[in-house]
Amino acid sequence: GAVVSQHPSWVICKSGTSVKIECRSLDFQATTMFWYRQFPKQSLMLMATSNEGSKATYEQGVEKDKFLINHASLTLSTLTVTSAHPEDSSFYICSAPLLGVDEQFFGPGTRLTVL
Amino acid sequence: AQSVSQHNHHVILSEAASLELGCNYSYGGTVNLFWYVQYPGQHLQLLLKYFSGDPLVKGIKGFEAEFIKSKFSFNLRKPSVQWSDTAEYFCAVNARSGGYQKVTFGIGTKLQVIP
Repeated sequence: GAVVSQHPSWVICKSGTSVKIECRSLDFQATTMFWYRQFPKQSLMLMATSNEGSKATYEQGVEKDKFLINHASLTLSTLTVTSAHPEDSSFYICSAPLLGVDEQFFGPGTRLTVL
Repeated sequence: AQSVSQHNHHVILSEAASLELGCNYSYGGTVNLFWYVQYPGQHLQLLLKYFSGDPLVKGIKGFEAEFIKSKFSFNLRKPSVQWSDTAEYFCAVNARSGGYQKVTFGIGTKLQVIP
């Protein structure tokens, strides 16, 4: 089956620093990947769509300068949380669709805690 | 824009009880429908999906869901729950428009099964 990995699985950082989260499709290529944020006791909220070879598409209300997305290759997308603040603490999840299957495969998520 | 509503946020059942979790969506176009499960400490896993054809869909672990187009509903059911079904359940809609797709999640239903 299609596997998506994320690294790191959890990270603690100081306020004001930047954190990079990687999302990889391990056994398939993904021209598109999706980044979600899940706050405690809330649903997954789509933040942005990462497109290989072009700019990411951000959802309304998501600051593109704060959440930098780079889709470096057909198997890797990165999300960088710049100048992180405690309110950015959340669970970040990526997904990638498998072409021809119309199904999203989710990574295990990254727990970010900003002190 | 599409939206997904899950009516029950927290459900507590005894083992062997029957389960039905409600899910309604709003979107005028073509949709694919999903139920995902998130066990404690684990990432999202697909329970079942509906793309087309028989509106009664059977998934893993004895779960099934019925797509009722006229009601814009996709309720999840299981005749007899087990303690191991304790998890959070998310209904999701993949709205498709041309080559674009976007997955929207419901807020989730936390199921607690008491032995």
